[in-house]
Amino acid sequence: GAVVSQHPSWVICKSGTSVKIECRSLDFQATTMFWYRQFPKQSLMLMATSNEGSKATYEQGVEKDKFLINHASLTLSTLTVTSAHPEDSSFYICSALPEGSTYEQYFGPGTRLTVT
Amino acid sequence: AQSVTQLGSHVSVSEGALVLLRCNYSSSVPPYLFWYVQYPNQGLQLLLKYTTGATLVKGINGFEAEFKKSETSFHLTKPSAHMSDAAEYFCAVSDLGGGFKTIFGAGTRLFVKA
Repeated sequence: GAVVSQHPSWVICKSGTSVKIECRSLDFQATTMFWYRQFPKQSLMLMATSNEGSKATYEQGVEKDKFLINHASLTLSTLTVTSAHPEDSSFYICSALPEGSTYEQYFGPGTRLTVT
Repeated sequence: AQSVTQLGSHVSVSEGALVLLRCNYSSSVPPYLFWYVQYPNQGLQLLLKYTTGATLVKGINGFEAEFKKSETSFHLTKPSAHMSDAAEYFCAVSDLGGGFKTIFGAGTRLFVKA
C-alpha cells in the first residue's frame, strides 16, 4: 500500500529557532500534499496545500512567513517552522495525494514539535 | 463550504456491544466521505470511504458506514466492539469543489469497557 513518512517523528527546539519537517511519499508520486496541525485532543486543521513546483496555498489565518512550505519534488514536501514559539508546539501531520487521484490521501505518522 | 459535525465527543460502549458513531456533513456538491481512526501519537488510518455507488460501505476491522443523502449523514457502525477499537475516530468530507481538500470533524473518542 501507499506509504507516507515524516521526519523527524518528534523534535524539541528552543524558542526563536527554526525547525524543518519532511514529508515523503515512499512508493508513489504526489503532485499535491497537505499539511495539518493537531492540538491535543482536537481535530486536524488544514494549514496549507502544497503543490509540486508551485507556491503553497495557505488556509485563512495561517502565517505563510512563519510556516514555510516547499514541495521541491513529486515525493517530498517540507514544512519549516521559523522563529518557533511555545504556542507552535503541536502535532503536525502531512498527507499526500497520489498523482491522478482525486480524493484518496495517505497520511504520514505525524511529527510532535515541542518548543521550549 | 464543506463542514462535518460529529455528534458526541465521547462514546462509551461495553465490549461486544454495538458501536455507533454519528457524522453529518454539508457539501454543495456530491461529497466524498471518509472515516479515519487515530491511535495516540500516531497518524490517521483510513477505515472506509464513500465516493460513488453503493451507499453501504464496508471497511477494515468490521466497520461499516451508510451514506444517506436525504439525512446528510454518514454514521459509522460496528456490530460488536472490541477492546482494540478504543481510539479517536474522525469523519471527513472532501469534494472536487474544495480542491481535493479534506475537512475533518472534531472527532469522537471511543471507550470500550470490559
